[in-house]
Amino acid sequence: QVQLVESGGGVVQPGRTLILSCAASEFTFRTYVMHWVRQAPGKGLEWVAIISHDGTNRYYADSVKGRFIISRDNGKNTLYLQMNSLRPEDTAVYYCATEGRYDFSSGGYYGFLDVWGKGTTVTVSS
Amino acid sequence: DIVMTQSPLSLPVTPGEPASISCRSSQSLLYSNGYNFLDWYLQKPGQSPQLLIYLGSYRASGVPDRFSGSGSGTDFTLKISRVEAEDVGVYYCMQALETRTFGQGTRLEIK
Repeated sequence: QVQLVESGGGVVQPGRTLILSCAASEFTFRTYVMHWVRQAPGKGLEWVAIISHDGTNRYYADSVKGRFIISRDNGKNTLYLQMNSLRPEDTAVYYCATEGRYDFSSGGYYGFLDVWGKGTTVTVSS
Repeated sequence: DIVMTQSPLSLPVTPGEPASISCRSSQSLLYSNGYNFLDWYLQKPGQSPQLLIYLGSYRASGVPDRFSGSGSGTDFTLKISRVEAEDVGVYYCMQALETRTFGQGTRLEIK
């Protein structure tokens, strides 16, 4: 089963840019839809973004739309989250997750958040 | 945007007793194919979240059968038939009909 390791977190000033990475252990990474989910200190989970297996489709939470960019390099088995114009409210642990798949007999499929990394911490503070 | 509301937010339970968590969505999660696009996740202390239930009632691989999911449309329930100490953590429902949205979380603790 794929294993995920996030990196790139740290302390950054408001308005700056930070790029997170999520390295996958399996070569089948290219077949997985991928997600980013975050958790502010002491708070609940917040879904952030999703990217299709080939990178052609991307969707974002309203709270990050226009500021964050999700991308992937299937040749490097790596998922990215470029976070621009960072705000203090972006302070959180950021998790990447694979999308597991249930195939409907009638066609189509359902995706659930299957394998999660351990997360990387981002602190936005002056 | 679909809003997910869980109750209760805190749930103290005696080991061996049942537990129930409610999740309501601001719009129906019943897709045209008859499936409900709702998951349940558990985040144990100090750990990443893990999938418990998908499509409203399908137990994920390796999840004990004391966990069950039910409901349809806008009202869903996660039930634990007999709570064990290892079930401590925060439980989240999540809709998957339109991108994704989590509920606020329900913290289960042992009495």
